[in-house]
Amino acid sequence: GQQLNQSPQSMFIQEGEDVSMNCTSSSIFNTWLWYKQEPGEGPVLLIALYKAGELTSNGRLTAQFGITRKDSFLNISASIPSDVGIYFCAGQLRAGGTSYGKLTFGQGTILTVHP
Amino acid sequence: KAGVTQTPRYLIKTRGQQVTLSCSPISGHRSVSWYQQTPGQGLQFLFEYFSETQRNKGNFPGRFSGRQFSNSRSEMNVSTLELGDSALYLCASSLGQGRKDTQYFGPGTRLTVL
Repeated sequence: GQQLNQSPQSMFIQEGEDVSMNCTSSSIFNTWLWYKQEPGEGPVLLIALYKAGELTSNGRLTAQFGITRKDSFLNISASIPSDVGIYFCAGQLRAGGTSYGKLTFGQGTILTVHP
Repeated sequence: KAGVTQTPRYLIKTRGQQVTLSCSPISGHRSVSWYQQTPGQGLQFLFEYFSETQRNKGNFPGRFSGRQFSNSRSEMNVSTLELGDSALYLCASSLGQGRKDTQYFGPGTRLTVL
């Protein structure tokens, strides 16, 4: 099935560093979402973006919905050990009722933070 | 508000058997979506139910089916299990309508097929 191109695939950083990851798609979406997943758990919603150009923050996390509607990025500032996990981007296209529910996911970015 | 719950959390089955997974959405949510997560394919959309009707479907064989009840709880069934069906099955609930509709995931059911 279709997947978004998410990069980088993994990151090893020191505590206190900033992190940036992004997602690109060959098709447009009108919703971009960022989730974090920890071992043995389901994805937890971090940030939701609903409008092209939108920039939204959630604590140390900032995400933007690209103007072309084909990309999004997530920044984490001043990383801490509990930021460890897998970060997923997801796009959703609402073009009538048949698009509801379907999220298309990136492959994930594995984040490791060294104390 | 209680989150999305899934039962059971773990299942071990053998090839050829069938399995039923259950999902209880967040109170007030009428949409339930199901996803399969594997190391090779990542997170793949299976189907979505809204008000007891399947509203959207991904590219999975007919062995994968689901249903939704009047209280919005949903079940997913996989018949004639294959080794490749081993995966984490996630359900997500949402209001199911509106421009800012957002999906919230449960903890998943880990299915192992031997």
